[in-house]
Amino acid sequence: SQELEQSPQSLIVQEGKNLTINCTSSKTLYGLYWYKQKYGEGLIFLMMLQKGGEEKSHEKITAKLDEKKQQSSLHITASQPSHAGIYLCGAGRDSGSARQLTFGSGTQLTVLP
Amino acid sequence: DSGVTQTPKHLITATGQRVTLRCSPRSGDLSVYWYQQSLDQGLQFLIQYYNGEERAKGNILERFSAQQFPDLHSELNLSSLELGDSALYFCASSVGVRGYSEAFFGQGTRLTVV
Repeated sequence: SQELEQSPQSLIVQEGKNLTINCTSSKTLYGLYWYKQKYGEGLIFLMMLQKGGEEKSHEKITAKLDEKKQQSSLHITASQPSHAGIYLCGAGRDSGSARQLTFGSGTQLTVLP
Repeated sequence: DSGVTQTPKHLITATGQRVTLRCSPRSGDLSVYWYQQSLDQGLQFLIQYYNGEERAKGNILERFSAQQFPDLHSELNLSSLELGDSALYFCASSVGVRGYSEAFFGQGTRLTVV
C-alpha cells in the first residue's frame, strides 16, 4: 500500500460548490505539504502544516492537520474554474540525516463552469 | 514564479545517450531535491543534496547521478537512457535539511527518450 493515500482520486464539481480532499499517512509525519499542479507543469506550493490541529488558509483554500490520525484535509470553498488541477499532498519523512518529501498520487479536480 | 530555475525545459534524445539537467535553487536555499514524475509511478523522490553534500537517496537508478556545486546549483546526470526514463524531472529547494521548511519546485524538465 502507498505511504500516502489521497482521496478521492478525482473529483468533478460544479462551480461554486465546496469540496474536500483528504490525505492519510501510514507513517509518522514530519510536516504535511499541499501543492497544486497543472498537468505537465510545475508544482505550486500552497501550504505547509507542522503541528496537530494546525489550520491554514489561503484565499478560499483551507488545510487542516490531525497529527494523531496522521491525516490532513484540504477544503475549497465556492470553487472556481481556476481551482482546477491536480492536488498533491506531501509528507515530510525523516531519513536520519535529512528530511525529505514523499508524495501521494494526487487528486484530479475538475470544476465545471 | 517559485524562484527555482530548471533548464532545459524540454529535451528529446535517443536511447543509450546521456543528458544533464540543471537546477538553480531559490536564493538562500541550501537543500536541493530531485524528483521524477511519470504517469505510472507518480512523483518519486530521487536524491537530496544539502550545501554540496548528498543527504538522502530515494528510488534513483545507478545510471543516474547528481551533484551540487559550491554555488549551490545542482545537476542531474542521466546515462544509458532507456525509453522508460521518459518523464518530467523536477528540482525543488528549501532552506534547511532538517526541521520544517517550505519546499518550492521548479517548472521541470520534460525528457523524451526516443
